[in-house]
Amino acid sequence: QKEVEQDPGPLSVPEGAIVSLNCTYSNSAFQYFMWYRQYSRKGPELLMYTYSSGNKEDGRFTAQVDKSSKYISLFIRDSQPSDSATYLCAMTGAGSYQLTFGKGTKLSVIP
Amino acid sequence: ETGVTQTPRHLVMGMTNKKSLKCEQHLGHNAMYWYKQSAKKPLELMFVYSLEERVENNSVPSRFSPECPNSSHLFLHLHTLQPEDSALYLCASSQELLGAELHYGYTFGSGTRLTVV
Repeated sequence: QKEVEQDPGPLSVPEGAIVSLNCTYSNSAFQYFMWYRQYSRKGPELLMYTYSSGNKEDGRFTAQVDKSSKYISLFIRDSQPSDSATYLCAMTGAGSYQLTFGKGTKLSVIP
Repeated sequence: ETGVTQTPRHLVMGMTNKKSLKCEQHLGHNAMYWYKQSAKKPLELMFVYSLEERVENNSVPSRFSPECPNSSHLFLHLHTLQPEDSALYLCASSQELLGAELHYGYTFGSGTRLTVV
């Protein structure tokens, strides 16, 4: 079983839709969860960071972590064409600098 | 400009060539990383440097040789590569190697797209 599972998509939605992106993981030691956004021909950039379980909101973005189910989500409200990118989940355990990444989900928001 | 600059942006090399990838960070970070990004695969950590000292070598073939002459510069020297080494090579930096800096995450460069022919 892979450590982190993420549906690669592609996912195509109309402008204004609510987008839900998800990852599952198997390592119960993971405590820190991140979402990176990667535009075409660019490196990933940190979008959201969450420690342990719970929700975190930043503008149109909400990150959720359910450690009991080993499941994390990123919601994008009122999606915009500028949100079109690949979204990578990443996670790690306490005291570790090594991030374990998902494969990424490619999102297209159609005007 | 992300603060991490990688050159060249694109590189095509034959299997017998020797080339180098360069990474420079202008953020005053103390840790630098090389990652490999292949199609339909997760990012793979290759090498980690903290204060110019290598702290991780993730079973990477010896045809990849890193060099960190100072905390701002990181190189990846390539020789006798294979076609399966074709990928996007990403450099990243972070304030510190361990601890509570994770909320700042990595700062990635835009990568070098490498094609081995």
